[in-house]
Amino acid sequence: DAKTTQPNSMESNEEEPVHLPCNHSTISGTDYIHWYRQLPSQGPEYVIHGLTSNVNNRMASLAIAEDRKSSTLILHRATLRDAAVYYCILYSNSGYALNFGKGTSLLVTP
Amino acid sequence: GAGVSQSPSNKVTEKGKDVELRCDPISGHTALYWYRQSLGQGLEFLIYFQGNSAPDKSGLPSDRFSAERTGGSVSTLTIQRTQQEDSAVYLCASRRQGEPQHFGDGTRLSIL
Repeated sequence: DAKTTQPNSMESNEEEPVHLPCNHSTISGTDYIHWYRQLPSQGPEYVIHGLTSNVNNRMASLAIAEDRKSSTLILHRATLRDAAVYYCILYSNSGYALNFGKGTSLLVTP
Repeated sequence: GAGVSQSPSNKVTEKGKDVELRCDPISGHTALYWYRQSLGQGLEFLIYFQGNSAPDKSGLPSDRFSAERTGGSVSTLTIQRTQQEDSAVYLCASRRQGEPQHFGDGTRLSIL
């Protein structure tokens, strides 16, 4: 499985933008980049995904490097409810199983 | 609409007992996954069902673990002769082909 590397933790002030990095240097050409987040005592929640182009949705933006070896999840204005563990994972569209690492624990302070 | 439902939400049992964990996926989702999450850790893949194909059991940690999916819908994860190291949150997810996974809130299993 292609693996991803994320910082263990990050901290942000409320209402400021947050950039969560992810390295995936062994990504294959058909792997999609998915981001999920997990709030305490809940299962992971889908955030956003992309293949090559940058993506925007109501929750966040995803910036993908031109060589696809890294990506960045962007929360435009962090809120206290965004405090969670954020997972960056590579997903083959063949439907094969995903493995989640430890992710990045985001702390948002007022 | 209804999401992925897991039951029970919490289970406490004695070492050596068998336990069954249930997952009701979202209707129409052909793929179903089980994961285990130990305290402070990421998600560890256990088993994957896709339609009528043979399941991928490569993540099951020992032969004490097994899972079934009946009628392409509900799935049961069974752990026999539980050990203390089996204590964890067991998460189930389902998805439709080409779409993201949807997770339940898990079953927190505690082995005394």
